[in-house]
Amino acid sequence: DGGITQSPKYLFRKEGQNVTLSCEQNLNHDAMYWYRQDPGQGLRLIYYSQIVNDFQKGDIAEGYSVSREKKESFPLTVTSAQKNPTAFYLCASSIMEGGTGELFFGEGSRLTVL
Amino acid sequence: GQQVMQIPQYQHVQEGEDFTTYCNSSTTLSNIQWYKQRPGGHPVFLIQLVKSGEVKKQKRLTFQFGEAKKNSSLHITATQTTDVGTYFCTMYSGGGADGLTFGKGTHLIIQP
Repeated sequence: DGGITQSPKYLFRKEGQNVTLSCEQNLNHDAMYWYRQDPGQGLRLIYYSQIVNDFQKGDIAEGYSVSREKKESFPLTVTSAQKNPTAFYLCASSIMEGGTGELFFGEGSRLTVL
Repeated sequence: GQQVMQIPQYQHVQEGEDFTTYCNSSTTLSNIQWYKQRPGGHPVFLIQLVKSGEVKKQKRLTFQFGEAKKNSSLHITATQTTDVGTYFCTMYSGGGADGLTFGKGTHLIIQP
């Protein structure tokens, strides 16, 4: 069954620590995205990638980093430079360039900074 | 940049009543998509509208795209408890993923 897998589902982190969220897809999609969701807010774009070894910053990229070494994988690192990292993080993919095709979302990773 | 307004933020209805959420953009759109997110879940695609004045139906759900391609609505007839969740519009003005903006969502709460 094709889909997007995010892990871990829940993660706790101490202040000052980096943490990496995993996102894997077997849909053969070229485009992948990371969004952040805060209570009462819409989804905000952190980073996106349309092809292997290439990615672009979204609206709120500061304090985050990504890599796209394989088509199937798009991990997100939340660094200690991110001032308010507690949030729900959603990975998504699409067949076509962002905005022109359906987004398929993973189940999300909920990060809490203690 | 593009601004998206989605209203209302919360809507309480009795089961069986109708529900409508609206999205408005400050700019003309290439398309609009609607997603549903159940409590504790992830957004799931419902539909995409592309043409001016387009109307699409999915069972009890009716989606409309405004003539000027700046606004859209989602209407649910005779709500059921399975309709509970947050409904998001995503408005696309072109230019890649940067041009995709999510509304803040409308939380639908249904009282049996």
